[in-house]
Amino acid sequence: SAVISQKPSRDICQRGTSLTIQCQVDSQVTMMFWYRQQPGQSLTLIATANQGSEATYESGFVIDKFPISRPNLTFSTLTVSNLSPEDSSIYLCSARGGGVAGELFFGEGSRLTVL
Amino acid sequence: AQSVSQHNHHVILSEAASLELGCNYSYGGTVNLFWYVQYPGQHLQLLLKYFSGDPLVKGIKGFEAEFIKSKFSFNLRKPSVQWSDTAEYFCAVKASNTGKLIFGQGTTLQVKP
Repeated sequence: SAVISQKPSRDICQRGTSLTIQCQVDSQVTMMFWYRQQPGQSLTLIATANQGSEATYESGFVIDKFPISRPNLTFSTLTVSNLSPEDSSIYLCSARGGGVAGELFFGEGSRLTVL
Repeated sequence: AQSVSQHNHHVILSEAASLELGCNYSYGGTVNLFWYVQYPGQHLQLLLKYFSGDPLVKGIKGFEAEFIKSKFSFNLRKPSVQWSDTAEYFCAVKASNTGKLIFGQGTTLQVKP
């Protein structure tokens, strides 16, 4: 299994600013993903964080708004830029290990509130 | 594109009642199927998963799910729920060619003591 740590666990930000969320996995993983969980909703995939190259974004999400880095196999960051109240959500980092199981593990999430 | 549909948005049961939560997906290729649970204030946890073999999968805490390929379904069941099963339940599908996990809308289960 993989243990995923996210920082910060929660933050309150002003409109127009940016927040960077860090994700650290305790073992090397093949794939890392970022999800958003808006209040009362399910998880929506934002992007796949690719090691050493640009992230792969899902429809409706763009790099200018959600820049992502993944400098190595155990670490990734998600920045939510130019914040608006609509960005208030829980952002979750997830990682998939190797092997047949390929289970996806999740961090505890970062709860963002934009005022 | 893959999609996942959970039919029940909010389920209220009394303790000891039986549970079945519906999950259907749309994707024509090989899929891996998951049920995750999110207890109040906690992070997502894996309940069970199906990759291949026996379509009846047993998970933690007495949960099981049956993969019916012809119906594109992966319904979650538990014979007798407990108050501690109160949580949000998410069905998820991973297409083998993309590795991306797509979630259903979630079902809120409330178990009354």
